Formats: sequence, C-alpha cells, structure tokens
Amino acid sequence: SAVISQKPSRDICQRGTSLTIQCQVDSQVTMMFWYRQQPGQSLTLIATANQGSEATYESGFVIDKFPISRPNLTFSTLTVSNMSPEDSSIYLCSAAASNQPQHFGDGTRLSIL
Amino acid sequence: RKEVEQDPGPFNVPEGATVAFNCTYSNSASQSFFWYRQDCRKEPKLLMSVYSSGNEDGRFTAQLNRASQYISLLIRDSKLSDSATYLCAVNMNTGGFKTIFGAGTRLFVKA
Repeated sequence: SAVISQKPSRDICQRGTSLTIQCQVDSQVTMMFWYRQQPGQSLTLIATANQGSEATYESGFVIDKFPISRPNLTFSTLTVSNMSPEDSSIYLCSAAASNQPQHFGDGTRLSIL
Repeated sequence: RKEVEQDPGPFNVPEGATVAFNCTYSNSASQSFFWYRQDCRKEPKLLMSVYSSGNEDGRFTAQLNRASQYISLLIRDSKLSDSATYLCAVNMNTGGFKTIFGAGTRLFVKA
C-alpha cells in the first residue's frame, strides 16, 4: 500500500491566519482526498483533490475556505483559510486507487487560539 | 438518514469474548466495503476488505449482505490490544468515486 507523508503533524495558529498542509504519496495514485475529524467524531470528507483541476467539494465545504491543489499524482495541499476556533480539528489526507481502500497520512492536529 | 451508520457503542467486553459490530449503508449503488481500525490520536488503518462471500483473517471475520445493505465484523477471542474504534467504510461512485465512513464503534477489552 502507498505510504503517505503529511506535514505539519501539528500546529497552533492565531485566528484569522491561514495554514497550508502538505501531503506526499510515495507512488502514483488515482485518488487523493482530504478529511476532517473532530475529537471523538467521525471522519468528514472535505473534498476530492483532482489532478490539474479544481477539487470536488462536499456539501458544507467551499473553495474559498479550503483551497486545495494537486499539481501531480503524488502531491496535494489543503489550506485552511481565515481560521477560527471552530476549525480546530485533525485534518487527514488519504490516497487510493479507484474503488480500492484508502490509506491515510498521520494527520495534522490543528489548534486555533 | 446517514449514508453509513454504526452503533457508536462503547462495547465493553472481557478478554476472550466474541464481539460483533454491524454497519448499514443507504446507497444501493455502493461498490466496495472495508473495516478500519483507529487507535486514539492515530489515523485510521485498514483492517480488512469485505467481500460478498465473507472473508476471514485470523480472529476477524467480515460479512457483507447486499440485500439488507449491511456489513459486519466479528472478533473472536478478544485481546486487550483489540481496544480501539472500528470504522466501516463504503466506496461509492456517484458522479465521482469517494469513500464514506461510519462514525465508528468504540471497543474496550478488559482483563
């Protein structure tokens, strides 16, 4: 299975600032995704990162707040913009071949003051 | 109704017990199914895929019932190290492939 590296692993940020999370996969994969997980809660899909085109966002998530890039098959970034305390969460990158199980990065623990 | 639903538990069982988790999904076009394990403050890790014929991996058995739209996970001879949250996951292609996760079932195995 693919090995997924995500960074930073954690950060503490001031409200109103933005943070970009990076995700690197060690092999070419068809699909990359970004999830959010609040403590004790389930994984919530933010968007599908599409190579070379705009990401596909789930209901409740918009590009202005969570811009995503995927310049190639092995790398993606998620930016959390204009952060507020409600954005404090764990952000997870995942990768999969189509209709195969997903594999996750270690996650980014984000706290907003 | 949520697309994927699980009993959140927690399940508290003694070592050696057999425990079963169920998960239901609402989209009949769902294509493939998985169980993940998530330890506290860690990322989810794939436990096993779930096939229509049922599949077994050591103490773990997974079953799929397409007619009733549920999947199950059976853990036999529970170990302390089985304590974790178990997430079911469903792949679907609804104008684009994606995976929907259940909220997870918390398992505590005690000595």
